[in-house]
Amino acid sequence: SQQGEEDPQALSIQEGENATMNCSYKTSINNLQWYRQNSGRGLVHLILIRSNEREKHSGRLRVTLDTSKKSSSLLITASRAADTASYFCATDFMNRDDKIIFGKGTRLHILP
Amino acid sequence: DAGVTQSPTHLIKTRGQQVTLRCSPKSGHDTVSWYQQALGQEPQFIFQYYEEEERQRGNFPDRFSGHQFPNYSSELNVNALLLGDSALYLCASSLFGAGGNTEAFFGQGTRLTVV
Repeated sequence: SQQGEEDPQALSIQEGENATMNCSYKTSINNLQWYRQNSGRGLVHLILIRSNEREKHSGRLRVTLDTSKKSSSLLITASRAADTASYFCATDFMNRDDKIIFGKGTRLHILP
Repeated sequence: DAGVTQSPTHLIKTRGQQVTLRCSPKSGHDTVSWYQQALGQEPQFIFQYYEEEERQRGNFPDRFSGHQFPNYSSELNVNALLLGDSALYLCASSLFGAGGNTEAFFGQGTRLTVV
């Protein structure tokens, strides 16, 4: 079974609003990564948060991690049209090697 | 500093043929992983190469094979292509054994269409 699941599956918001996506996973991890993908192109790495970290920021992105609930969230503040994309979380497996497994992703659409 | 590069970007093959996709990892990375992403789905792990050996494998048949070269670049080979093999094939590079502290960076992918 897959490691990560995300919700919502799709999200439409007005430009300028904040977007929040959630990711849940099943086993203990070393880290969790978030990626963006535009229209079936390559995956762009957004942020990595380690299992001993609770929150991380990068520009307009804020990621939180709750290992007790096995969940993470990605917040995009002041959304822009260019943020329209699919967002995936990916997790590895603690005490194992470096394979990462993806959640099903959230398709974000920013309305003008 | 070049990121992960994949070639070709697009490919059209006939059912039953064989295909080879190529990947050069990010400078400083020694591990290459391959993923298959069907339209509208998440990437699925195919296998991972480190030190020129296949270290892990996902739920893919033996028609999918690979190779890693001494310069860390990698190839993905798919034999006896099926229509269902049509997908975006993504290569990821990372640094092995970094204690789970390394990001995995992806290339732009190869779009394979089997007709």
